Amino acid sequence: RKEVEQDPGPFNVPEGATVAFNCTYSNSASQSFFWYRQDCRKEPKLLMSVYSSGNEDGRFTAQLNRASQYISLLIRDSKLSDSATYLCVVKGNAGNMLTFGGGTRLMVKP
Amino acid sequence: DVKVTQSSRYLVKRTGEKVFLECVQDMDHENMFWYRQDPGLGLRLIYFSYDVKMKEKGDIPEGYSVSREKKERFSLILESASTNQTSMYLCASIALARGQETQYFGPGTRLLVL
Repeated sequence: RKEVEQDPGPFNVPEGATVAFNCTYSNSASQSFFWYRQDCRKEPKLLMSVYSSGNEDGRFTAQLNRASQYISLLIRDSKLSDSATYLCVVKGNAGNMLTFGGGTRLMVKP
Repeated sequence: DVKVTQSSRYLVKRTGEKVFLECVQDMDHENMFWYRQDPGLGLRLIYFSYDVKMKEKGDIPEGYSVSREKKERFSLILESASTNQTSMYLCASIALARGQETQYFGPGTRLLVL
């Protein structure tokens, strides 16, 4: 079993739709959680951190469920520019090493 | 602004060649990382360094070595390139973002080994 698992997609949604991605992680000692966004042929960039209480940044909402060991990302009112691959990232309790999921590809259509 | 740069965006090398990939960060960061990214496999950690002359193996160090002679520069070396090392190579450095330490990536180097 992979340490961090995501549905690779693609998720094809119309503009304006709400879409949600889940990610599961296997290490119950994981401390920090992030969502990164990666555009085609570009480097990953931090989208948002995920806090235990859940957090929102504009149209994006991230949630953490420690009991079930998953994190989620909700995107409301999808824009064409949201088309990208979204990487779930987990940081353990030792050092600064991150473990990346394989990414979920989102395609927003007009 | 966090700035991580990599020496080349695209490289084509032949099997058996020695390949150097350079990464530079200008923020005096201690921790630097090298990953490769392949379709279906995500990002995998090759090596990381937490200080000058210090290095640690990641998940897939075989076939690679690294060098950290100066704090700002972390080099990845393929001693004898092979076709299965064709990949996207990403360097990263740690920075504070929204109150948490997280990794910022360079633009990546796409390496093709023929």
